[in-house]
Amino acid sequence: GENVEQHPSTLSVQEGDSAVIKCTYSDSASNYFPWYKQELGKRPQLIIDIRSNVGEKKDQRIAVTLNKTAKHFSLHITETQPEDSAVYFCAAALSGNTPLVFGKGTRLSVIA
Amino acid sequence: GAVVSQHPSWVICKSGTSVKIECRSLDFQATTMFWYRQFPKQSLMLMATSNEGSKATYEQGVEKDKFLINHASLTLSTLTVTSAHPEDSSFYICSASPDSVSTEAFFGQGTRLTVV
Repeated sequence: GENVEQHPSTLSVQEGDSAVIKCTYSDSASNYFPWYKQELGKRPQLIIDIRSNVGEKKDQRIAVTLNKTAKHFSLHITETQPEDSAVYFCAAALSGNTPLVFGKGTRLSVIA
Repeated sequence: GAVVSQHPSWVICKSGTSVKIECRSLDFQATTMFWYRQFPKQSLMLMATSNEGSKATYEQGVEKDKFLINHASLTLSTLTVTSAHPEDSSFYICSASPDSVSTEAFFGQGTRLTVV
């Protein structure tokens, strides 16, 4: 089955700097790669997703890149703000309505 | 957007008792819903796939007789934790997507279960 590896497990950046989180996956059949932000005790919040027919997607300060050949995808957050501090999870799935396999998460701390 | 509602948001129960958690899709139909479990400071792990009108599919290591899943309608799936023990204490969360299109997964609010 699918296996998703996520790095780093913790990341501290100064406010205004960029943050990059990387994930790799094992199943070449996966076509849907969402990123979630989760605050303590809350449901995961989708921040951006990408499908396999696209190499890059951007939404304001957030961008995701996908390399299907190498089976890895990355989250880029620019101009980080203290409210970006949270746990971020990557995931992989066959499609948007199939089971998600999550990475282990990255705890991002943005220091003001 | 699509809304998934999960209840209760938190529950405390005694060891040996059973707890039922409901997951409802409020504005769409979902033949399939998913149940995940998240232990403190860990990731979300798929427990089972709930299928309307048929038996749920459980992931390896998840006891189907302990975690009973019922998906009796296209908008409701329930997870019952039977004979709960302290090690079952966790954050349980469901997700669903509209049958008609392959969009994102929509998550319920999650249920914090504490077994004492």
